[in-house]
Amino acid sequence: GQNIDQPTEMTATEGAIVQINCTYQTSGFNGLFWYQQHAGEAPTFLSYNVLDGLEEKGRFSSFLSRSKGYSYLLLKELQMKDSASYLCAVKSLREGTALIFGKGTTLSVSS
Amino acid sequence: DAGITQSPRHKVTETGTPVTLRCHQTENHRYMYWYRQDPGHGLRLIHYSYGVKDTDKGEVSDGYSVSRSKTEDFLLTLESATSSQTSVYFCAIAAGQGRTDTQYFGPGTRLTVL
Repeated sequence: GQNIDQPTEMTATEGAIVQINCTYQTSGFNGLFWYQQHAGEAPTFLSYNVLDGLEEKGRFSSFLSRSKGYSYLLLKELQMKDSASYLCAVKSLREGTALIFGKGTTLSVSS
Repeated sequence: DAGITQSPRHKVTETGTPVTLRCHQTENHRYMYWYRQDPGHGLRLIHYSYGVKDTDKGEVSDGYSVSRSKTEDFLLTLESATSSQTSVYFCAIAAGQGRTDTQYFGPGTRLTVL
């Protein structure tokens, strides 16, 4: 079967660091994606990991461990505008195949 | 901006009526997808297309059909809408090269079936 788990909700304060975890069990693996989705809007692409390790992009970093079926998204220097849902998604081996999404983690940032 | 538009953006319809949602892209991408998003379920694939007239079913395809007669347009049809099809529908395209292609989403269509 295919399963992607991430926490439903998280809260943090402005300026802090937050880590959103994602574990997955899928048949075949060709990369893990993170998307950000503000309420009432479309998901927007944040990051992509296909090899083990950390990918850094400004305030956002994403980590992957394929042997553990585990990823996390790290958000530093949190801002109010980071309040959103964060979606973890896995892509299988076939080219062009759709993503399998977790249910998303709603992050609330307070001042 | 991946040049994706969806129409209509909002629609209210009645049970039993047919509904067609349109996804239009301007950048000649080969792969296009339809997802629905519901609270507690996340995004789920309905159908996808890998070229003109080439489509395949996704996880939640029952009650939906699709057509792609031109590269730029991917249509999703609910033959006879039901209240369980009330949802937000997102179209996506895959841009990039081969296995590293990334999916980008349109703005979404909010459909309410009464």
